[in-house]
Amino acid sequence: AQTVTQSQPEMSVQEAETVTLSCTYDTSENNYYLFWYKQPPSRQMILVIRQEAYKQQNATENRFSVNFQKAAKSFSLKISDSQLGDTAMYFCAFIKSLEEGIQGAQKLVFGQGTRLTINP
Amino acid sequence: GAGVSQSPSNKVTEKGKDVELRCDPISGHTALYWYRQRLGQGLEFLIYFQGNSAPDKSGLPSDRFSAERTGESVSTLTIQRTQQEDSAVYLCASSSDRGGNQPQHFGDGTRLSIL
Repeated sequence: AQTVTQSQPEMSVQEAETVTLSCTYDTSENNYYLFWYKQPPSRQMILVIRQEAYKQQNATENRFSVNFQKAAKSFSLKISDSQLGDTAMYFCAFIKSLEEGIQGAQKLVFGQGTRLTINP
Repeated sequence: GAGVSQSPSNKVTEKGKDVELRCDPISGHTALYWYRQRLGQGLEFLIYFQGNSAPDKSGLPSDRFSAERTGESVSTLTIQRTQQEDSAVYLCASSSDRGGNQPQHFGDGTRLSIL
């Protein structure tokens, strides 16, 4: 079974600083996807960034980037020039790649989350 | 609307009552998921629907929980004889693909409080 671990329950930084959120995972799969989701107080889970395991290049989305270390099973999120609107819970998640002919859900497996606060 | 819609937004009910939660996925999305999020926790998978295939119910915590989906449209999650431990946010997500090729899009959830 896959597990996802986020070792930082809470983090706090000043606006405009850079912050890195940690995530490690455990799997025997070779093909999979990793995600970071943001959950503000509105409760909606918002996809921040996605990484495909077979791609060596780290994914980037504007101020958000990841450091994907497949051998170490590590997937950290870096937020540059942090903004007040980045304040939220951040969840790391894992999903196996789609297998043809295999029924059933490709379920997202979530970590416990990191509460990030950006201070003015 | 363009996103996943869930109703009600909040539900407070007495222990022992039945509740029904509704999810309206993004039009055209064949895959639909229900998750439960307890306070301060990550999301736990409950059930999955994909087109006309039999649902994957492997995450349902007890036989008090059930869900239905008509075709590729609305889904309802029903909890019978609610218990206090059922208090949580119930999130629905839909996707145009059941794997990671297309991401899951989430609704705002229903916050269920059992008194």
